[in-house]
Amino acid sequence: EIVLTQSPGTLSLSPGERATLSCRASQSVSSSYLAWYQQKPGQAPRLLIYGASSRATNIPDRFSGSGSGTDFTLTISRLEPEDFAVYYCQQYGSSPLTFGGGTKVEIK
Amino acid sequence: EVQLLDSGGGLVQPGGSLRLSCAASGFTFSSYAMSWVRQAPGKGLEWVSSISGSGGSAYYADSVKGRLTISRDNSKNTLYLQMNSLRAEDTAVYYCAKAYGDYVITCFDYWGQGTLVTVSS
Repeated sequence: EIVLTQSPGTLSLSPGERATLSCRASQSVSSSYLAWYQQKPGQAPRLLIYGASSRATNIPDRFSGSGSGTDFTLTISRLEPEDFAVYYCQQYGSSPLTFGGGTKVEIK
Repeated sequence: EVQLLDSGGGLVQPGGSLRLSCAASGFTFSSYAMSWVRQAPGKGLEWVSSISGSGGSAYYADSVKGRLTISRDNSKNTLYLQMNSLRAEDTAVYYCAKAYGDYVITCFDYWGQGTLVTVSS
């Protein structure tokens, strides 16, 4: 099983600032099958990024993903008020599918 | 517009059973794998099970193998999760989720609103 470790656990930033979230895998994720989701309180997760760097439908271009192998990054270039939420990474290169523990982006 | 409507959650005693449903619309249901993902209160996301578009292949997390069974009725555009021998640690919001692309083991582009299962005496 591939274990995903997200850091930091919480990121305190102000609107307009840049957010950099990390997801590290315990072994290489094949074909960069790594996705990122955003979840707000009381809501289902929303797919942001798939294939490590491809934005999902209707996702603003301030969200970008990068990385390969065991190290992946989600960057939000300029935080908007609606971006404060919890973010999860997920690998789908092998079964079982696994998620990281999440990074909470909160308003400073 | 893709819609997934989860239902069937509730309070059940340890050892009891429950069946969750997910009614799908807005896409060709039989063409896509579907999955269940759960989230314990205040915790992160945990993949539970996935099933192919035809229903011929199913995959399970070790934590639920032998107790939870995923199935689908493509004539009714509905996904199911039969939950038996429930334990306190199964308490969670259960989400159905649509596969992105052609694979069973994949990420998820649409999610239901979730249904809460509480296992407690």
